Amino acid sequence: DGGITQSPKYLFRKEGQNVTLSCEQNLNHDAMYWYRQDPGQGLRLIYYSQIVNDFQKGDIAEGYSVSREKKESFPLTVTSAQKNPTAFYLCASASSSYEQYFGPGTRLTVT
Amino acid sequence: DAKTTQPTSMDCAEGRAANLPCNHSTISGNEYVYWYRQIHSQGPQYIIHGLKNNETNEMASLIITEDRKSSTLILPHATLRDTAVYYCIVRPRTGGFKTIFGAGTRLFVKA
Repeated sequence: DGGITQSPKYLFRKEGQNVTLSCEQNLNHDAMYWYRQDPGQGLRLIYYSQIVNDFQKGDIAEGYSVSREKKESFPLTVTSAQKNPTAFYLCASASSSYEQYFGPGTRLTVT
Repeated sequence: DAKTTQPTSMDCAEGRAANLPCNHSTISGNEYVYWYRQIHSQGPQYIIHGLKNNETNEMASLIITEDRKSSTLILPHATLRDTAVYYCIVRPRTGGFKTIFGAGTRLFVKA
């Protein structure tokens, strides 16, 4: 059963801690993306990667970091430098930058 | 910068057609119209896309005006499970990282 998985679904952290969100896909897609969504808002692009070992900043990359060591995986680290980390985080993948397929999301709460 | 304008919310009776409009008056010649939807607390789901011809698939129909400045997504027989936020997006075919998700239209399907 092909798709995108994100884990965990809910994540709680204390302020000042870094946290890494997992995103894995078995669709053999080249491109992967991370978005952030705040309540009642649309999605904002954090980082994207169009090929292994390469990634680009999106519109709101400050306070976040990513890696793309494998085609299947694109983990996102929310660092302590991110001022308002509490949000719904969505990962997506696409073949040759065509239609994007989204994972179920991770809801991060930082207190 | 949002390239599309959509109504904030719409209602539809179950079993009736839902017609969701979108204005994209600044669309470029190489940009496609994409529609996604997001059911509460889930990742967005791709619905349909088109360039200038009308398109239909198992989920919906997309009607694009001749001048390409607006489009309408049609759900022919709306069900309660179609209640979601619907996003209209314009972007080049190979440009997933240029996908801008605005606030979308909240569609409420009522019994």
